[in-house]
Amino acid sequence: DGGITQSPKYLFRKEGQNVTLSCEQNLNHDAMYWYRQDPGQGLRLIYYSQIVNDFQKGDIAEGYSVSREKKESFPLTVTSAQKNPTAFYLCASSIISGATGELFFGEGSRLTVL
Amino acid sequence: DAKTTQPPSMDCAEGRAANLPCNHSTISGNEYVYWYRQIHSQGPQYIIHGLKNNETNEMASLIITEDRKSSTLILPHATLRDTAVYYCIVLLYRDDKIIFGKGTRLHILP
Repeated sequence: DGGITQSPKYLFRKEGQNVTLSCEQNLNHDAMYWYRQDPGQGLRLIYYSQIVNDFQKGDIAEGYSVSREKKESFPLTVTSAQKNPTAFYLCASSIISGATGELFFGEGSRLTVL
Repeated sequence: DAKTTQPPSMDCAEGRAANLPCNHSTISGNEYVYWYRQIHSQGPQYIIHGLKNNETNEMASLIITEDRKSSTLILPHATLRDTAVYYCIVLLYRDDKIIFGKGTRLHILP
């Protein structure tokens, strides 16, 4: 079945380490997004990409990096520069670049920094 | 910043209709109202959207006031599985990003 796959589901890392979260979609969607969610809070946009080889910063991009080398893949790297990386990370895609109302989300990746 | 205002939480008895309000007093003429819900520790799920007219699908109904400054999401027969955080979002059809607020935490009571 088509969908969005995020991995790993749970991840632990030590302070000072970079970590990369995977997001793959087989929906043939143009646009992809990364959100961060903290306990009891809404979603905050980190980065988004509307086409291959192009991406834009969201509201909280500092300490994160992304790439979009393939339409199907939009990995997120949480760098050591991110001061509070422990959070729930959600990847999403939408069918038409720019018409972002109907987002399809993955199941999320929960990152814990020890 | 989110363009909507929602109550932080609501209760509803199982089997009754759950009516979730949303204020969007600054909505512009070409902005849509979207609703999502998020069950604990899962990704949000699209529910419904509308522009001016009321909309209904297999999950819910969306009632938008005539002045479009507020809307109500209706779950006609709430079940325990409808316990979730519900997000009301306003955006242009060709916005390049979606901004989520804190939503309404809906508790369905047995």
